[in-house]
Amino acid sequence: QVQLVQSGDEVYRPGASVKVSCKASGYSFTSYGINWVRQAPGQGLEWMGWISGYKGNTNYAQKVQGRVTMTTDTSTSTAYMELRSLRSDDTAVYYCARNFRSTNTGRDYYYMDVWGKGTTVTVSS
Amino acid sequence: DIQMTQSPSSLSASVGDRVTITCRASQSISTYLHWYQQKPGKAPKLLIYGASRLQSGVPSRFSGSGSGTDFTLTISSLQPEDFAAYYCQQSYSHFYTFGQGTKLEIK
Repeated sequence: QVQLVQSGDEVYRPGASVKVSCKASGYSFTSYGINWVRQAPGQGLEWMGWISGYKGNTNYAQKVQGRVTMTTDTSTSTAYMELRSLRSDDTAVYYCARNFRSTNTGRDYYYMDVWGKGTTVTVSS
Repeated sequence: DIQMTQSPSSLSASVGDRVTITCRASQSISTYLHWYQQKPGKAPKLLIYGASRLQSGVPSRFSGSGSGTDFTLTISSLQPEDFAAYYCQQSYSHFYTFGQGTKLEIK
């Protein structure tokens, strides 16, 4: 079955960097992109960005642009999200989600159809 | 960025009730609007894509409608497992955005 398995929870000091991994299985990794979405404690969902599974093209949300880098390793079907210069408001659960493309409706709809279970990143001194 | 605004932010209802959640976009997004359900401690789950298309495996009591800037998610008869948070999300722009969420609680 299609699944995304994320790396484990971690704690970081302010100013450090985190790199979360998301290993895909059950589908052709290069056929779909991966989104990264985070959720601060008690808050809503925040889209961080997207990376193509094929060419590695990226789109980053303005809020994290300059501090985030998303990459892929097609040999292991794994996507990575690195966030630098961590601060306390980066404390959140970080999710990866497949960017599915539906073409059977006459329009190209892109939506997040499969999600990882989430990685909790805690930033604390 | 396209702003997505949901209403209400929270809602209390009873099992068997019909419930409607609204999502409004800051500009026209055609039908590039999707709905997700999230239960505490779990990842979001896709319910509706393309404003009105039911994702495979999702019960038919869930339905979506709308186009342009105004959209609704309707649950025709609430079941105990439907008490959760619901989010809309647009993919009209390559910079996706979510609504702030609606928390559906048991009355």
